[in-house]
Amino acid sequence: RKEVEQDPGPFNVPEGATVAFNCTYSNSASQSFFWYRQDCRKEPKLLMSVYSSGNEDGRFTAQLNRASQYISLLIRDSKLSDSATYLCVVNTIKAAGNKLTFGGGTRVLVKP
Amino acid sequence: DGGITQSPKYLFRKEGQNVTLSCEQNLNHDAMYWYRQDPGQGLRLIYYSQIVNDFQKGDIAEGYSVSREKKESFPLTVTSAQKNPTAFYLCASSIRGQAVVGRNTEAFFGQGTRLTVV
Repeated sequence: RKEVEQDPGPFNVPEGATVAFNCTYSNSASQSFFWYRQDCRKEPKLLMSVYSSGNEDGRFTAQLNRASQYISLLIRDSKLSDSATYLCVVNTIKAAGNKLTFGGGTRVLVKP
Repeated sequence: DGGITQSPKYLFRKEGQNVTLSCEQNLNHDAMYWYRQDPGQGLRLIYYSQIVNDFQKGDIAEGYSVSREKKESFPLTVTSAQKNPTAFYLCASSIRGQAVVGRNTEAFFGQGTRLTVV
């Protein structure tokens, strides 16, 4: 089983609609969690951090469920510019230090 | 401006040659990471380092080597032992240790190096 797993998609979303997707992680000792956005042929950029019970930033809401070991990302009122790949990242503190593990990404396509 | 710089952006090498990718950061971060990304795939961890002169193997370290002689620098060498070296290589840095309120441990990325072996 992979340490961090995501539905690869693509999620085809009409403009203005809501889309949500999850990311599961296998290590219950994982400390912190992030959502990154990656555009085609570019480096990933931080979208949101998810530290406790979740947080909201404008149209984006991230939730953490420690009991079931997953995090989710919800995008409301989708814009064409939201089309990207969304990467889930899990930070696990090991004796050797922080280990940041990425999921395979979920591709979102927002269409007019 | 603080940031993380990778060079070169594009790199072409002949099969069987070793090649070194540069990664420099001026964010005063202790932790640095190297990832590999293949088309349509996520990022896979090659090596990571939390302090100078110490580094750990990630999930796909075979065929790669690193050094961490300075806090600011974490070069990656792709050796001839790496069977499929053509990929997009991303370097990242972060603060080290536990996440607490007000202390973010997220990673900041360089712009990446596209390595093509012919």
